[in-house]
Amino acid sequence: QQQVKQSPQSLIVQKGGIPIINCAYENTAFDYFPWYQQFPGKGPALLIAIRPDVSEKKEGRFTISFNKSAKQFSLHIMDSQPGDSATYFCAARWGYGGATNKLIFGTGTLLAVQP
Amino acid sequence: DAGVTQSPTHLIKTRGQQVTLRCSPKSGHDTVSWYQQALGQGPQFIFQYYEEEERQRGNFPDRFSGHQFPNYSSELNVNALLLGDSALYLCASRFGENTIYFGEGSWLTVV
Repeated sequence: QQQVKQSPQSLIVQKGGIPIINCAYENTAFDYFPWYQQFPGKGPALLIAIRPDVSEKKEGRFTISFNKSAKQFSLHIMDSQPGDSATYFCAARWGYGGATNKLIFGTGTLLAVQP
Repeated sequence: DAGVTQSPTHLIKTRGQQVTLRCSPKSGHDTVSWYQQALGQGPQFIFQYYEEEERQRGNFPDRFSGHQFPNYSSELNVNALLLGDSALYLCASRFGENTIYFGEGSWLTVV
C-alpha cells in the first residue's frame, strides 16, 4: 500500500508552542522520510529528513521522531514562530524499482502560529 | 533557494491544447522527477528521468510525457489538456543517495 496518512489536517498554536504533526505508513518498502514546508504559491522546501534506522533527528528547531516498529513518524517544531505558519507535508520515498525520486506525500497539515 | 528552476511560472491553456513545461535541476543533480499538485492536496508523482530515460511512472495517463536532455534538464509535455489538469506542476531533482529538492513550480490553468 503506497500511502502515507498525516494528521492533523490543521493546527493552531501560540507563539513559543510546540506543534506536533504525525504520519503513518504501512509498506516497509519506504526507505527515506523527508518533511517539506510549503508557503502559498511556492514549491515545497525540504526541512529535515530521516532514514528508518534512526529514531530521532534534530536540525535547528525541527525534530523528527521515528518509530520503525509502529511505522509512524512525527515532526516537532520547537519554539514555534508566526513565520512558521505554512503547510507541512510528510513524505516517504518508495525504495523499489530504482525510482529514488518517487515520494509519496501525506495530505498536509496547515499550521497557524498565533503571535 | 533549492536551485531547481522551472518555467514558465504561470500559464493558461484551453481544453484540448498541449503544454510544455521546463525544468533545470540543481547543479550536479542528475535525476529529475515531475509531480502534480492539485489545490489543497499533496504532490503526486508523475514520472522520473535518469540518464535520459523514463525510469518509473506514477498513475498518470499517456497524455503526460517527458524528456531529459544530456545536460540533465527536463521537459514535461501534456497533450489534449483537460480541465482537471489544472494544477501546480513541480520538478524535483536529486543528487547522491537521498536529498530531493523541489522547484517553485509552474501553475497551469486549463479553461
